[in-house]
Amino acid sequence: GAVVSQHPSRVICKSGTSVKIECRSLDFQATTMFWYRQFPKKSLMLMATSNEGSKATYEQGVEKDKFLINHASLTLSTLTVTSAHPEDSSFYICSAFQETQYFGPGTRLLVL
Amino acid sequence: SQQGEEDPQALSIQEGENATMNCSYKTSINNLQWYRQNSGRGLVHLILIRSNEREKHSGRLRVTLDTSKKSSSLLITASRAADTASYFCATDPNGGFKTIFGAGTRLFVKA
Repeated sequence: GAVVSQHPSRVICKSGTSVKIECRSLDFQATTMFWYRQFPKKSLMLMATSNEGSKATYEQGVEKDKFLINHASLTLSTLTVTSAHPEDSSFYICSAFQETQYFGPGTRLLVL
Repeated sequence: SQQGEEDPQALSIQEGENATMNCSYKTSINNLQWYRQNSGRGLVHLILIRSNEREKHSGRLRVTLDTSKKSSSLLITASRAADTASYFCATDPNGGFKTIFGAGTRLFVKA
């Protein structure tokens, strides 16, 4: 089956720093990937659609300058949380689309 | 914005009992999927039901879909303590590429 990985699995950073999270499709190519965030005991909220070779499409209320998305190849999308603050602490999950969605294992971000 | 609402938000049952979770959504769909998530972990895909299907089974799982009511239910029979997790429905609004999740039901199965 299709496998999607995320790196790192967890990260702790200081307030004001930027953090990059990688999402890779390991055995298939994906022109479209998605980024979600999940607060404790809440559901997954779609943040943006990442399109290979073009700009990401952000959901309403998601700051594109805060959450930079780059989809430079057919197997890699990155999410950079810029100038992170404690309220950005969350579980970030990506998915890659090939006929259906395949989800990564998630990245837990803690901003101190 | 989230597509679906789920009820109950939380469900606590005894091992061996059946657990039923419901999901409602707002737009037309091609597929509806159910996922499971253990605390702090990634998603596990349970079952997919297409809009032209009314019922689907997989082991102890039974999923129904009523497109006229825009609702689905997930039944777990003979529950086990290991079934304790959060369960989410997810849809593809208007048959698009996006997957939108419902609010989820937190199931707790007491041994």
